Amino acid sequence: DAKTTQPPSMDCAEGRAANLPCNHSTISGNEYVYWYRQIHSQGPQYIIHGLKNNETNEMASLIITEDRKSSTLILPHATLRDTAVYYCIVRATIKAAGNKLTFGGGTRVLVKP
Amino acid sequence: DTGVSQDPRHKITKRGQNVTFRCDPISEHNRLYWYRQTLGQGPEFLTYFQNEAQLEKSRLLSDRFSAERPKGSFSTLEIQRTEQGDSAMYLCASSLRLAGGPTDYNEQFFGPGTRLTVL
Repeated sequence: DAKTTQPPSMDCAEGRAANLPCNHSTISGNEYVYWYRQIHSQGPQYIIHGLKNNETNEMASLIITEDRKSSTLILPHATLRDTAVYYCIVRATIKAAGNKLTFGGGTRVLVKP
Repeated sequence: DTGVSQDPRHKITKRGQNVTFRCDPISEHNRLYWYRQTLGQGPEFLTYFQNEAQLEKSRLLSDRFSAERPKGSFSTLEIQRTEQGDSAMYLCASSLRLAGGPTDYNEQFFGPGTRLTVL
C-alpha cells in the first residue's frame, strides 16, 4: 500500500469546518483513500473512502485531487466530540493485496470551544 | 449493542505469564482482524481470518503469538511467555466480505480493544 503523509496535529474552532490534508503521491490506480478516526480510548472508526470522485456522507466530505496524489477530509461543522486522531490510509482492493489497513501516525485534531 | 466486543478490556500480567484475549465480531461478518497499538502510534496489523481460515499473518506475529477462530465466529489471541514489549492495546475488527467479486473495500468495524500491561 502507498505511504501517506499527514500533519501531526492541528487545532480547529468549534462550529467551523476542519480541513485535514493528506499526501499520497505514490498512490496507484487500484488504491482507494480511506479515512478513519480514533477517539481517545476507543477503537478506530471508519469515516469515508473514495477512489477518484469526491465523496460525501453524514460524517464528512472527501476531496481527492485530479492527479490523486493528495486528498482533504472536511468536517463541515466541527464539534468537541470530533476531537480525535484522524488517519488517512491508502489501500489496494485487489485480492492479491490482502486486506489489512496500514495506519500511519495520523493527525491529532483538537477542537476548541 | 451489536458492535465488535472484546474481553477483557484491561489485563495486567507479570512477565513470562500467558494471556488470552477474546473478540466477538459483528454477527454476520465473515472477516476478523487483529491489530496491535502502542502508545502514540497507529494500529499495526497482526493477522486476519476469513471465516475460520487464517489467511494472513504479519511478521510482527512472533512464535509466542497464536490466533484462532475455530468456528468462524469469535476469535482468541494468545500470547505465551509475555514480555514487557508486548504491552499495548490489542484491537479486533470485523468486516463483511461479499462473495463473487475480486475486490474488497468494505469498512472494518473495530472493537474497544484490550489494553495489556506486562510488568
